[in-house]
Amino acid sequence: SYVLTQPPSVSVAPGQTARITCGGNNIGSKSVHWYQQKPGQAPVLVVYDDSDRPSGIPERFSGSSSGNTATLTISRVEAGDEADYYCQVWDISSIHPGVFGGGTKLTVL
Amino acid sequence: EVQLVESGGGLVQPGGSLRLSCAASGFTFSNYEMNWVRQAPGKGLDWVSYISSGGDTIYYADSVRGRFTISRDNAKNSLFLQMSSLRAEDTAVYYCARGFNSWGFQHFDLWGQGTLVAVSS
Repeated sequence: SYVLTQPPSVSVAPGQTARITCGGNNIGSKSVHWYQQKPGQAPVLVVYDDSDRPSGIPERFSGSSSGNTATLTISRVEAGDEADYYCQVWDISSIHPGVFGGGTKLTVL
Repeated sequence: EVQLVESGGGLVQPGGSLRLSCAASGFTFSNYEMNWVRQAPGKGLDWVSYISSGGDTIYYADSVRGRFTISRDNAKNSLFLQMSSLRAEDTAVYYCARGFNSWGFQHFDLWGQGTLVAVSS
């Protein structure tokens, strides 16, 4: 089955740029989606189809994907961005198509 | 208000059964694919199961296939997960999540608040 690999943690100072990676075999050929989850809350979609933002998500959140790596970029990081972030793909060639990465804890220093 | 509300979680003994429900409101439920996603305590998100809008296509994670059954009642705007032969490793918060399919690639654009299932003797 398809595997997505994320770093367990990323740390960044307020106002700086955070980059969270998601690795997968030829991930650039799939659509990658990103979710933010704060403690005790349900996940929230922040980027879909590699780089699109749902309404209500700040422009500071952006995404890209190429080759074997997808990246969620958070510009001008704020304290409120501290959360767990998960990448996800839908592997349409599989009988169990839903795949999540292991998650990355973003810490705002 | 567009929302999903799960119910039916609780404490169950190993080998037991439980039926989760997810009530949808504020949107045309029958137009959307639906999923169950779970999260064990302190762990990451784990996709469990998918059902198409009409209920004719269903997928399961390997870890639950043969033990869990997903279903829906479009007339009642409801999604279900029948869980049997429960194991300790099934302990998790279970979320229902609405699927949005673009070019065959699905993402989850609406989530419920989750319901906790605890499997323990």
